[in-house]
Formats: sequence, structure tokens, C-alpha cells
Amino acid sequence: EAEVAQSPRYKITEKSQAVAFWCDPISGHATLYWYRQILGQGPELLVQFQDESVVDDSQLPKDRFSAERLKGVDSTLKIQPAELGDSAMYLCASSLVGGGVLQTQYFGPGTRLLVL
Amino acid sequence: TQLLEQSPQFLSIQEGENLTVYCNSSSVFSSLQWYRQEPGEGPVLLVTVVTGGEVKKLKRLTFQFGDARKDSSLHITAAQPGDTGLYLCAGLNSNSGYALNFGKGTSLLVTP
Repeated sequence: EAEVAQSPRYKITEKSQAVAFWCDPISGHATLYWYRQILGQGPELLVQFQDESVVDDSQLPKDRFSAERLKGVDSTLKIQPAELGDSAMYLCASSLVGGGVLQTQYFGPGTRLLVL
Repeated sequence: TQLLEQSPQFLSIQEGENLTVYCNSSSVFSSLQWYRQEPGEGPVLLVTVVTGGEVKKLKRLTFQFGDARKDSSLHITAAQPGDTGLYLCAGLNSNSGYALNFGKGTSLLVTP
């Protein structure tokens, strides 16, 4: 069964350092989402791509976060510089197409980030 | 932002007991989804409810969507340790490109 792949699974870094997370969606899925999940909370959307274009990045802290999906397939989320409050699980999800109430989003296993 | 409130936040029960968790909002949603998330993993979709008043069953799990499409419930019959996890409800954000608004979840622990 096809799955969303994410790496690394765990990342420990010091504040002010740069970190990057990678996501490979299910083959053929045009829409890709990055969510952040703080411990004890539900996931919150950071950025949504439709193919290589950003659909929504209104909740992305653009002073330190950046995301790209250059060829419309895999995606990278970067934080520079990392802050203590960035410690969280970063989840990637993909769906076949954007739009439509019945589109299922498939989530990867996440990258758990700890900033010291 | 369309907020989803989930209750209870935590629930610890013994194997064989029944339980119900709730998801409420002041906003109308075109659909609601329920996910289960195990520690260290991503959420996995359990069900999508679309029609007001709709009831869906998935083995021992029963999902209901409120008539006004503002609330939903998940009832588990005869809970098993394998049901342990974080149960999240999520609604489609009509202000975005169909990204999901999640509640904070109900953390369920079922002990043998």
C-alpha cells in the first residue's frame, strides 16, 4: 500500500540552527499539506500546495519558515533559525486532488523536532 | 477560523466498557472526519460524515453527524486495548483550499 514518506523521523537541534524536513507524497497526489502538531493539540496547517503552487500559506511564519515543492512531487519544509517554541511534530499529508469534500488526506508518520 | 471543541480531553477506561466522545462547533461544516492517531505516528482516517443526521458504523465504532452539521459523536462499544490512541475530529476549512481544521483530540486509554 502506498504511503507518505517523511524524513527524518526525529530531529534534535539547538536554537538558532537551521533544520529541514522532507516529504514524499503518494504517487499521483497533486495536493500536499504540511501541518504542525504541538504536544496535546490537533494538527494545524502550515502550508498547502497544489502541484508546485502554494494554495495557502497564511499560517506559515514566513520570517523563519519556508516550504517548496519545486517539481510538484516531493517537498521540503525549512526552519531558520529554529526557536524553542518550534518543538513539535511536523506532519505531511497528501490527497489525490485539492477541493471536494470527500478527498481523503493521507498522513505520513511525521518528523518530531526538539529544539534545545 | 472554524473551531472544533472535543470532549473529554482524556478518558481512561477498562476493556469491555462503552464510551462516547464529542466534537462540537458553532460553525456549520460541509463534512466532518474522524481520525485516530497512535503515539509517534500520523493520523489515520476512520470515517467521513457528510449528511446531517448521518450515522456510520465501523465494526464497534459508531459515528454520528448532528442534524445541523455542527457537531459529531463517536461511540465505541466494548472497548479493547487496541482502541487506545488520540481521536481527532476535523472539518474542512471553507476559507482555505480544503485543508483540515482539527480539534485538540480526545486521548483514550483502554486497560486490560
